[in-house]
Amino acid sequence: DSGVTQTPKHLITATGQRVTLRCSPRSGDLSVYWYQQSLDQGLQFLIQYYNGEERAKGNILERFSAQQFPDLHSELNLSSLELGDSALYFCASSASPGQAGANVLTFGAGSRLTVL
Amino acid sequence: GQNIDQPTEMTATEGAIVQINCTYQTSGFNGLFWYQQHAGEAPTFLSYNVLDGLEEKGRFSSFLSRSKGYSYLLLKELQMKDSASYLCAVRGSNYQLIWGAGTKLIIKP
Repeated sequence: DSGVTQTPKHLITATGQRVTLRCSPRSGDLSVYWYQQSLDQGLQFLIQYYNGEERAKGNILERFSAQQFPDLHSELNLSSLELGDSALYFCASSASPGQAGANVLTFGAGSRLTVL
Repeated sequence: GQNIDQPTEMTATEGAIVQINCTYQTSGFNGLFWYQQHAGEAPTFLSYNVLDGLEEKGRFSSFLSRSKGYSYLLLKELQMKDSASYLCAVRGSNYQLIWGAGTKLIIKP
C-alpha cells in the first residue's frame, strides 16, 4: 500500500456520461498530480495541485476538470466521455519542498475507466 | 522542444545484466528519475540522479551524464519479476516532470 488511495478501482460507463475519480494523498503530502495512461502508452500529465491551488496544467482536455479540497483530497471530473477516454487514471502525491522525499512521486493504484 | 528517448522494448535472460538507456533534451535540468511499472499497476520509484555519476541500490544502479543528456538503468542478476516497463523522467527548469514512453523489459528463462 503506497498510502495514496484512489477510488473507484474500476468504472464502466457509456459515451456522453460524466464520472468523478477520487484521490486521497499520503498523509502530510500537499501536492497531488493526475496522470492518464492509455493502453500500452506512456504517462500523460494532466494537472497538479498544491495545497488547494492549481500549480501546473498539462494536456488536460476542456471536458476534464479537477480540484483539491481543504482536506487535501482531490477529484478529477471527466465529462462528455468518449471512447478514447478509456484509460488508467493515476493520482500521485509528493511531500512539500524541503521535506524528505519531496522529489519523489508516490502513485496510487489507479482507476481504470472503460467507456463503451 | 523537450524530448525523452528510451528504447520501446528489450529482452534479456534470467540471471543476466541489462542496461536501459535514456537520452533527454529538456529546458533546464533538476534531476532524473527511474520508475518501474508492472502491467496494469502503479509506477514505483527506483532511483533519482541529480549529479553526474553512478548511484547503486542493490541489484539496480542508475548513471547520469548531464553534459551528454544521458542516463542508464542497470539491472543485475535479472529475475522474472523484473519483467516490467521502466520509465525515465526528467524534472525540467519549471520543476515539472517530463516522462519518457517507457521501455518494456521482457525476461526469458
